[in-house]
Amino acid sequence: DAGVIQSPRHEVTEMGQEVTLRCKPISGHNSLFWYRQTMMRGLELLIYFNNNVPIDDSGMPEDRFSAKMPNASFSTLKIQPSEPRDSAVYFCASRPDRGGLFFGEGSRLTVL
Amino acid sequence: DAKTTQPNSMESNEEEPVHLPCNHSTISGTDYIHWYRQLPSQGPEYVIHGLTSNVNNRMASLAIAEDRKSSTLILHRATLRDAAVYYCILRGGRGAQKLVFGQGTRLTINP
Repeated sequence: DAGVIQSPRHEVTEMGQEVTLRCKPISGHNSLFWYRQTMMRGLELLIYFNNNVPIDDSGMPEDRFSAKMPNASFSTLKIQPSEPRDSAVYFCASRPDRGGLFFGEGSRLTVL
Repeated sequence: DAKTTQPNSMESNEEEPVHLPCNHSTISGTDYIHWYRQLPSQGPEYVIHGLTSNVNNRMASLAIAEDRKSSTLILHRATLRDAAVYYCILRGGRGAQKLVFGQGTRLTINP
């Protein structure tokens, strides 16, 4: 089992640029979560999907953030335009019908 | 979401047991108690969860108070690799998906 796969692992970009983070959940898991982690705010839930449908996006900071899950094996988190305050580690996690969350290794984003 | 309270940090010695406390006085009857840990530079990792009865797995044990207002994660014999931030989280019953992380307890293990 390859686990949750995220890409890129590191991204450095300039303010105003579009950023796309990608996630491949564990096969057979029917829920997918996007979290953001910073020193100041800790781990924040941004959005989660159940069976590819967005269920709760109340944690998405603002309209610059969007997330999609076109199929059960792929999700994206897009930031457009990016700002320095978006710098953080972004984690994707998936969960089977019962049990705990399995997290990826994260994507570290730096916006200059 | 019901709130949990954990100490900011704890310290223990290698090969000794570690008891990590968590208070959740506003827990509801259907809330599960989940524990995760985050090792340095890694994503959080599931440790254990329970509802009412004490639970054991290969990583740890979870002791839940009879009134469910508190719980304790027990590492029976700590190793240096157990140094991490440990999060205690409440999750609603079947159908409730959200896991809201607090600040957790930073556990330091001394050699």
